[in-house]
Amino acid sequence: GAVVSQHPSWVICKSGTSVKIECRSLDFQATTMFWYRQFPKQSLMLMATSNEGSKATYEQGVEKDKFLINHASLTLSTLTVTSAHPEDSSFYICSAPMASGRVPYEQYFGPGTRLTVT
Amino acid sequence: LAKTTQPISMDSYEGQEVNITCSHNNIATNDYITWYQQFPSQGPRFIIQGYKTKVTNEVASLFIPADRKSSTLSLPRVSLSDTAVYYCLVGAFNDYKLSFGAGTTVTVRA
Repeated sequence: GAVVSQHPSWVICKSGTSVKIECRSLDFQATTMFWYRQFPKQSLMLMATSNEGSKATYEQGVEKDKFLINHASLTLSTLTVTSAHPEDSSFYICSAPMASGRVPYEQYFGPGTRLTVT
Repeated sequence: LAKTTQPISMDSYEGQEVNITCSHNNIATNDYITWYQQFPSQGPRFIIQGYKTKVTNEVASLFIPADRKSSTLSLPRVSLSDTAVYYCLVGAFNDYKLSFGAGTTVTVRA
């Protein structure tokens, strides 16, 4: 089946630094990818839509200057958390829909990246 | 996106059938119903999707009544490895922006 990978799987960084998270669709092309954030014991919250070749679309309340998204190719989207603070510590998950998926509306999720800001 | 309501948690034992009902009173004509499973510290995984009546795959069954205002995910003969959070989502065919509700935490005990 389709696979979406994320790198790194976990990262610890100091407050004030920036962290880049990669999301790759390994065996299909994805013109659109999505980034979610999930705090402990909570549901996934959609942060932004990553569009290949154009600017990302951010959900209300998500700071676009803090969470930089770049969709450089049809298989890679990156999320950069700039000037990270402890409150940015969370589980970040990306997803990508596949046009020829088994069913409509099916998306493939990455394994997630655990970010801890100290 | 249609709002969904699910029980917060359910407990079961190995070998039992687990049925999770999701309410989506405002479902639109072109909306599909999709269920995802999420294990701790992992991304969600697609389980099943349906539009009406009944859908069955190797993992689960999805029952959708005629009015489509609710749906029931049925997990047959659960095992400990089925302990996870199950999310019910409703959305249109080409609407890839998923809105996750609280989900149902299913705990399977030996």
